[in-house]
Amino acid sequence: QKEVEQDPGPLSVPEGAIVSLNCTYSNSAFQYFMWYRQYSRKGPELLMYTYSSGNKEDGRFTAQVDKSSKYISLFIRDSQPSDSATYLCAMSGGDSGGSNYKLTFGKGTLLTVNP
Amino acid sequence: DSGVTQTPKHLITATGQRVTLRCSPRSGDLSVYWYQQSLDQGLQFLIQYYNGEERAKGNILERFSAQQFPDLHSELNLSSLELGDSALYFCASSVDLTGGRTQYFGPGTRLTVL
Repeated sequence: QKEVEQDPGPLSVPEGAIVSLNCTYSNSAFQYFMWYRQYSRKGPELLMYTYSSGNKEDGRFTAQVDKSSKYISLFIRDSQPSDSATYLCAMSGGDSGGSNYKLTFGKGTLLTVNP
Repeated sequence: DSGVTQTPKHLITATGQRVTLRCSPRSGDLSVYWYQQSLDQGLQFLIQYYNGEERAKGNILERFSAQQFPDLHSELNLSSLELGDSALYFCASSVDLTGGRTQYFGPGTRLTVL
């Protein structure tokens, strides 16, 4: 079983739709949860991060973490064509040294928002 | 623009050759991470350096090595290249050792091995 599982999609939605992206994970040591956006041929761009369980909102984006279910989500409200990209979830362990600082990524979900 | 720079943008080489990828972290960042992105494996952590010292290793092949210099730039050396090494190589940086939530990625180097 991979440490982080993410449905690769592709996901195609009309402009203005609410988008839900999800990841599951198996490593209970993960403490930090992130979402990155990657446009074609570009480097990943940090969108959101959350420490431990809970919700975090930033504009049209909401990140949710449920550690009991080992499940994280990213919601995009009022989606725009400019949101079309690959969305990657990423996780890392706590600050206890060793290789806990590395990011473990899902494979990414390709999202297309159609005008 | 994340502030992380990587050179070259593209690299085309032959099997068996050796290449060097270069990364300059954001101003003030002490920690540098290298990642490999391929279609089948996704983004995979290779190695981390902090202030010149190796701190963590991931799925890095023995044919690959890296170092971080006193001016904090880093180089990733890939030798005895194989077709399967064709991928995007990203460098990321963070201000401190823990990185975690605040890793900023460069634009990547696209390596093609023919």
